[in-house]
Amino acid sequence: DIQMTQSPSSLSASVGDRVTITCRASQGISSWLAWHQQKPEKAPKSLIYAASSLESGVPSRFSGSGSGTDFTLTISSLQPEDFATYYCQQYNSYPPTFGGGTKVEIK
Amino acid sequence: EVQLVESGGGLVQPGGSLRLSCAASGFTFSSCEMNWVRQAPGKGLEWVSYISSSGSTMYYADSVKGRFTVSRDNAKNSLYLQMNSLRAEDTAVYYCARAGRRSLYYFDYWGQGTLVTVSS
Repeated sequence: DIQMTQSPSSLSASVGDRVTITCRASQGISSWLAWHQQKPEKAPKSLIYAASSLESGVPSRFSGSGSGTDFTLTISSLQPEDFATYYCQQYNSYPPTFGGGTKVEIK
Repeated sequence: EVQLVESGGGLVQPGGSLRLSCAASGFTFSSCEMNWVRQAPGKGLEWVSYISSSGSTMYYADSVKGRFTVSRDNAKNSLYLQMNSLRAEDTAVYYCARAGRRSLYYFDYWGQGTLVTVSS
């Protein structure tokens, strides 16, 4: 199975800050990477697919980059509604696997 | 609007069985591949199972293979997960998720989840 490693596991930031989360795959996955956002007690919501493509309705302050084994999710100016846990997920091969999550908290 | 609504969760004893359902609306269910993903309390996400649009192809995580069976009824716009020989480690919120962007395992829409608790 492909292991997905996210860092950091948590971070504290203020509204307006630029936030970057990294995700590393244990082997190359081309650009078959997604980012999902999950708020407490809610279902995950897909933000980004194919490493850098935004799902419809996702604000442009979210962006993704990378290919192969190293990926990043960037929030250019953190908003109050962005405090949540973010998961990367590879869908290059069976079984699909998720990173351990990055919890973004209010500073 | 795409909607996925799970039901059927609850408390079950170890070794017992449970059947989850997912009612889909707002899209052409019969054309879409579907998945189940679970999340143990306070933990991360774990993919469980996939089913093709016709229901002819299914895949499972090793942790549930031989115990869980995924199925669908396209006439009823419904997805199911039959869970047998349940263990404490199967305790989780179970989400149904639509496969999107022409990929088996990219989840573009998620249901709200249903909680399964395996305990004596």
